[in-house]
Amino acid sequence: DAGITQSPRHKVTETGTPVTLRCHQTENHRYMYWYRQDPGHGLRLIHYSYGVKDTDKGEVSDGYSVSRSKTEDFLLTLESATSSQTSVYFCAISGSPSGGPTNTGELFFGEGSRLTVL
Amino acid sequence: SQKIEQNSEALNIQEGKTATLTCNYTNYSPAYLQWYRQDPGRGPVFLLLIRENEKEKRKERLKVTFDTTLKQSLFHITASQPADSATYLCALDASSGTYKYIFGTGTRLKVLA
Repeated sequence: DAGITQSPRHKVTETGTPVTLRCHQTENHRYMYWYRQDPGHGLRLIHYSYGVKDTDKGEVSDGYSVSRSKTEDFLLTLESATSSQTSVYFCAISGSPSGGPTNTGELFFGEGSRLTVL
Repeated sequence: SQKIEQNSEALNIQEGKTATLTCNYTNYSPAYLQWYRQDPGRGPVFLLLIRENEKEKRKERLKVTFDTTLKQSLFHITASQPADSATYLCALDASSGTYKYIFGTGTRLKVLA
């Protein structure tokens, strides 16, 4: 299995509080992604990163920010959580096993982080 | 608008038959299209990738076709088994060659013994 871990795996928070989810990889892959999954909507891309400090918005980026200061970590921050951000969040990685610019294309997913905003 | 559509209704088939799942897309020009399997409570798992210049790809009992004119991919599982029951997701790169992957909503497959 790809070395990808998400933390925390479960979190309950209140509306208006900041939340940061962490994705850590040990594969030296260039690309990292944050998705959210909700019933009836499938997986929706929030942000993705194509290198250190290089990020791009996805389909549902409003209310979320990301940072990637080193290859292995990709942080997703909800500056002020809302109930509509209650979801399961998945991190994924993609790239070349050698860490180079090429990409095999396939995504490897973490186990997910379940966030509940009350 | 851009859309990726998979049959949202569950697909029930009898064990041993071939399951065929559809992925249609609108206003994308993907270089890659992928299929994933997802079990309840787990992250998606990669199954197959097909490139825009490939018509068909096979892996064991799985076959994927990619028709860029119809803007459609078909995913087949032959000799289906109850263990194949899961949700199957298609994904494509939203901007050709960027690896910015967008997913369809998935189709739940149930194989009946």
